[in-house]
Amino acid sequence: DQQVKQNSPSLSVQEGRISILNCDYTNSMFDYFLWYKKYPAEGPTFLISISSIKDKNEDGRFTVFLNKSAKHLSLHIVPSQPGDSAVYFCAAAGGGGADGLTFGKGTHLIIQP
Amino acid sequence: NAGVTQTPKFQVLKTGQSMTLQCAQDMNHNSMYWYRQDPGMGLRLIYYSASEGTTDKGEVPNGYNVSRLNKREFSLRLESAAPSQTSVYFCASSEARESGELFFGEGSRLTVL
Repeated sequence: DQQVKQNSPSLSVQEGRISILNCDYTNSMFDYFLWYKKYPAEGPTFLISISSIKDKNEDGRFTVFLNKSAKHLSLHIVPSQPGDSAVYFCAAAGGGGADGLTFGKGTHLIIQP
Repeated sequence: NAGVTQTPKFQVLKTGQSMTLQCAQDMNHNSMYWYRQDPGMGLRLIYYSASEGTTDKGEVPNGYNVSRLNKREFSLRLESAAPSQTSVYFCASSEARESGELFFGEGSRLTVL
């Protein structure tokens, strides 16, 4: 039973446009959500996070939106740049089980020139 | 500024062989984790250690053992490797348990023939 779902395995966006990556979760006990970025042959790196008491968090070109009633969050990247091409993982903390994060399967973002 | 260091980066084993993946962090973090990443599966938690001297099972612990040698080091052992354990393994550490932010190593790619 997957608690964090990223239903789009891949997404292609033109350089300069907005990239929107989506994530859904089922466990209402999650209290912190994070996005990680991963390049090939490297470990995931932290990008941005949001507490469940907020509905928006912004950091430069990256904004995460949280809709608790819909159990949905999204990552917006504006404007998209070639270096943004990577796999993005949505993750959640505090689900009442083991420590650590529960990850989605990832979305491969491809920024086209 | 090493962060989280994993060794080895690559390993090929035959079915039934044993090996240990080593992980060390220099950030004085209390919590350490082992994840595995498989194609289309995201990252799944194998074991974690909330503090020196404690270890707990994650989502997929079968076939693995761990040792929290000291605050810096957390090793993952495969006693009798199986082809199903072919994967990329990531070690991670964290300080702020509530926020869930993890710092990852570069990964260890293991192939079991």
